[in-house]
Amino acid sequence: QSALTQPRSVSGSPGQSVTISCTGTSSDVGVYEYVSWYQLHPDRAPKRLIYDVSKRPSGVPDRFSASKSGNTASLTITGLQTDDEADYYCCSYAGAYPFVFGTGTKVTVL
Amino acid sequence: QVQLQESGPGLVKPSQTLSLTCTVSGDSVTSGGYFWSWVRQPAGGGLEWIGRIYTSGSTSYNPSLNSRVTISLDTSKNQFSLRLSSVTAADTAVYYCARSFYGSGSLSLDDWGQGALVSVSS
Repeated sequence: QSALTQPRSVSGSPGQSVTISCTGTSSDVGVYEYVSWYQLHPDRAPKRLIYDVSKRPSGVPDRFSASKSGNTASLTITGLQTDDEADYYCCSYAGAYPFVFGTGTKVTVL
Repeated sequence: QVQLQESGPGLVKPSQTLSLTCTVSGDSVTSGGYFWSWVRQPAGGGLEWIGRIYTSGSTSYNPSLNSRVTISLDTSKNQFSLRLSSVTAADTAVYYCARSFYGSGSLSLDDWGQGALVSVSS
């Protein structure tokens, strides 16, 4: 099972919006409604931002939103803040693999 | 608020067995509707799901690691553990434990520990 494809990096200025794509196949992202997104900061526990394609857990700001179209899922961060500088990973169910992760995207706040 | 904390040796010799424990507080590892996973991230690399265990004790593993992985529950200590045998330098990574609630029909890694770095070196 191959990793889902994400851009290596995206950047934006404070207050701007950035979107991270996550491209899979018709065996994972394209067929299941189990896409999730995670934020990884150094020295912090990874944090779930999105589950089931577009649902936000309690406590996650609505600046984080997500969607899916075909084999590609997307995470959008609006009103970029300095604390949003981190690594972001998408993840999808893929049948034999409950969790297949993306290649990861580093978000830089300029 | 559940908390998960990984613990174990930070250095393992090649060909030996890596052993890590995840201690859970704020919830019971026997709580219905949950399963418990291990995930790892090599330095400079991406995340890789290793395997999971349900409260029933049923397990499933990443096929790429299946023959070397064992995940178990210790209900008396409210912990679950990972054993990875015949390790090589490629197994050097930060290892995370995580909890998932599948009872509502969703699927994600809801809560994570901070991670434990394990290096494989002689």
